[in-house]
Formats: sequence, structure tokens, C-alpha cells
Amino acid sequence: GDSVTQMEGPVTLSEEAFLTINCTYTATGYPSLFWYVQYPGEGLQLLLKATKADDKGSNKGFEATYRKETTSFHLEKGSVQVSDSAVYFCALSDQATGNQFYFGTGTSLTVIP
Amino acid sequence: EPEVTQTPSHQVTQMGQEVILRCVPISNHLYFYWYRQILGQKVEFLVSFYNNEISEKSEIFDDQFSVERPDGSNFTLKIRSTKLEDSAMYFCASSLDYTDTQYFGPGTRLTVL
Repeated sequence: GDSVTQMEGPVTLSEEAFLTINCTYTATGYPSLFWYVQYPGEGLQLLLKATKADDKGSNKGFEATYRKETTSFHLEKGSVQVSDSAVYFCALSDQATGNQFYFGTGTSLTVIP
Repeated sequence: EPEVTQTPSHQVTQMGQEVILRCVPISNHLYFYWYRQILGQKVEFLVSFYNNEISEKSEIFDDQFSVERPDGSNFTLKIRSTKLEDSAMYFCASSLDYTDTQYFGPGTRLTVL
């Protein structure tokens, strides 16, 4: 069945460091891929998405490229800020299995000044 | 920007009691969802709802659960007789279309004692 495997956390980085959070997936069909972010005390917010192979999603300095050959959708940011501290969730939706979302376990990121 | 809202933010109940979690989806959206996240675990799909009926549900969504859209704006999740293992964060989501991005509410934390 469909699933998402996400890099375990927590991750602690200094401000301006480079961030990578790994995400790989298994899907029956041709999924759309998403990154959601959850700031403390808030809900899941869409950060970026990609709907087909080689698409790059980007938002707020974050990027992720849909790599079909490696079934990956790694999240990257060149220079993190304290305000990026949050939990990041990789997710997929796959029309072949309905429109439910499959989530990874979430990766907690703490950025220290 | 339109957003999904949920009430209450935190609900504490005794085992065996009924609870109703409430959600107001984005107003022009047509598809509605409930997910849950047990502490430390993945966000899991419960049910999707379209055109006043359940369109998909997971194995978790057993006879103890029901959903309803009682009026034009609210979308509710009822748990008839809560169990300790129902303690979790419950997220409501909505989307405009079947394959569209799902937008999530801030969640209701349910604690069953």
C-alpha cells in the first residue's frame, strides 16, 4: 500500500544552516507530494507541493523536487531562521487509492540563534 | 485568507462518554475529511465526506464513529462511546475538488480519562 517514510528527528540547527529533511514514498499510482508544516499550537499548513515527476515545489525559501527515479521528495532550505522551528510532515495523495492523504511521522526542527 | 476552523481546541472526557468534534470547512469546498494523530505517531486518515455521504473510510473508522454535515457550514465527528485509545489530536480538512490540496484546521486535542 501507499506510505511515506520520513527522516527521524528531532533536528537542531543553528541559524543560517542548511536544512535537509528526507522523505521517500511508496505509491500504487502517480501520487502528488506535499510538505506540511505545523508551528507550535497551530494546525497543519501547506508549505509546498508537486504533482508530477521532476516538478519542484517552493515556498518561503523551502524547496522540494519530485524524484520519481528515487521515489523521494526531500525538503531543503539554504539558510534556516529561528522562525522555521516547527514540525514538518511529508505527505502524498494517490488517486489510485482514493483521495486520502498518507503522512510521514513528522520531523521536529529547532533552530537556535 | 479562508481557513478551516475547529472547536473545541481541547476536549477532556470520561471513558464511555460521547463526544462531538466540530469543524467549519472553507466555505466553497466540497470535500471534507477527518484525520487523527495519536501522540508520537503518524497522522492517520479516518474518513472523507462528499455530497452528504461518506466517500471513503479507513479501518479505524468503525461503528463508534460517525460524521455529519448538519447545516451548510459545520462538519462534525461523533465518537459514541469513547475509549482510552481514542485520545489523540483530531484534524479536520477540506478541499475544493477530489484531487485538490487539502487544507487542515488547527486540530482538537481529545483526552479520554
